Amino acid sequence: QVQLVQSGAEVKKPGASVKVSCKASGYTFTNYYMHWVRQAPGQGLEWMGIINPSGGSTNYPQNFQGRVTMTRDSSTSTVYMELSSLRSEDTAVYYCARVGGGSYLDYWGQGTLVTVSS
Amino acid sequence: QSALTQPASVSGSPGQSITISCTGTSSDVGSYNLVSWYQQHPGKAPKLMIYEVSKRPSGVSNRFSGSKSGNTASLTISGLQAEDEADYYCYSYAGNSTWVFGGGTELTVL
Repeated sequence: QVQLVQSGAEVKKPGASVKVSCKASGYTFTNYYMHWVRQAPGQGLEWMGIINPSGGSTNYPQNFQGRVTMTRDSSTSTVYMELSSLRSEDTAVYYCARVGGGSYLDYWGQGTLVTVSS
Repeated sequence: QSALTQPASVSGSPGQSITISCTGTSSDVGSYNLVSWYQQHPGKAPKLMIYEVSKRPSGVSNRFSGSKSGNTASLTISGLQAEDEADYYCYSYAGNSTWVFGGGTELTVL
């Protein structure tokens, strides 16, 4: 069965970086794109970007460009999301989600809480 | 890009039907039949309920249906049940390998 297992909760200071991992299993890793989505406390879902695990190509929305980097390790079927220059507003649960059929998010990771606090 | 517009909240009684709208622009919802809907219960990851405007994944109740007209997509839940109480989000392709969520709608079953 398809599973996306994310790394554990993180606490970071403002200005630092965080790297969240998402390990995929139960399917051919390189056949499906992956999105990253975040949700601040009490807020809605926000799209952070997409990575093609096959070639590693990425695309990020303008509001994250320059601060987010998505990478993958095909040998371990893992994608990573690194967010730099953290500020308190980056406190959120971060999710990885598999793109099924090219357009929708059919499987989600369990989420990783990142807390940014001095 | 701006978030798609959803009502902040909707409510209905058990057995009734409700509809949640998701309004975008001609650059996203209006241009592509790539709207999906997600249900999220508190503390849980979102769950896919509808994809490609009106298709239902295996295992999702046929009480959930989707449609689109122009720049507005809609999710309808018929025969409302207590377990449907959750937050609902629409999601659309917006061109140039970008995507956008709706602001989310809190559904209360009275």
